[in-house]
Amino acid sequence: NAGVTQTPKFRILKIGQSMTLQCTQDMNHNYMYWYRQDPGMGLKLIYYSVGAGITDKGEVPNGYNVSRSTTEDFPLRLELAAPSQTSVYFCASSYSKLQGAAGELFFGEGSRLTVL
Amino acid sequence: AQTVTQSQPEMSVQEAETVTLSCTYDTSESDYYLFWYKQPPSRQMILVIRQEAYKQQNATENRFSVNFQKAAKSFSLKISDSQLGDAAMYFCAYRRPNYGGSQGNLIFGKGTKLSVKP
Repeated sequence: NAGVTQTPKFRILKIGQSMTLQCTQDMNHNYMYWYRQDPGMGLKLIYYSVGAGITDKGEVPNGYNVSRSTTEDFPLRLELAAPSQTSVYFCASSYSKLQGAAGELFFGEGSRLTVL
Repeated sequence: AQTVTQSQPEMSVQEAETVTLSCTYDTSESDYYLFWYKQPPSRQMILVIRQEAYKQQNATENRFSVNFQKAAKSFSLKISDSQLGDAAMYFCAYRRPNYGGSQGNLIFGKGTKLSVKP
């Protein structure tokens, strides 16, 4: 069981470039999330999705976009990369309340992005 | 809005001894979930233990246990018989029970870095 898989694990971008962080989960979770973690800080929510075709902004959405065409996949796109987007990015997923769950999120291994 | 506070940026413990990490939170909800996640140098976020607020009994997972004080809004993690592999960042997190969308977001504290001395 692969769980939550993120790619790439590391990436260096130049200012103004764009890229997509891929996230896929094989647990049939309805809810998916993208977080960023800056040094010495907890995780902050960028975007989330409660199901295929439904996405919404979190706490720090500026400079990012997402889509959710399938239950499994939730890619995060960075447009016009800026140094402020240098961070570690985590994708996570969970069951919905209707699916029954103990409430925890399952995380990918993280993607370290550096913008120079 | 809910907040989570971890007042100890760093802690240290001798191998085989016991350490307690502190966490307080602020909420007006009566029912919710609380979690401790471990983040080793590999960056992976690993669930250590969970507590449902409506359960009065403190959760226990092997060497890990919590002291959940609902009235005080306190949720501390006790690690017994500490091992070298316990060295990591530990994050306390809060989640509303009626979770959906951003309401289901985990709210994290800033973390406590635990060192284990041999």
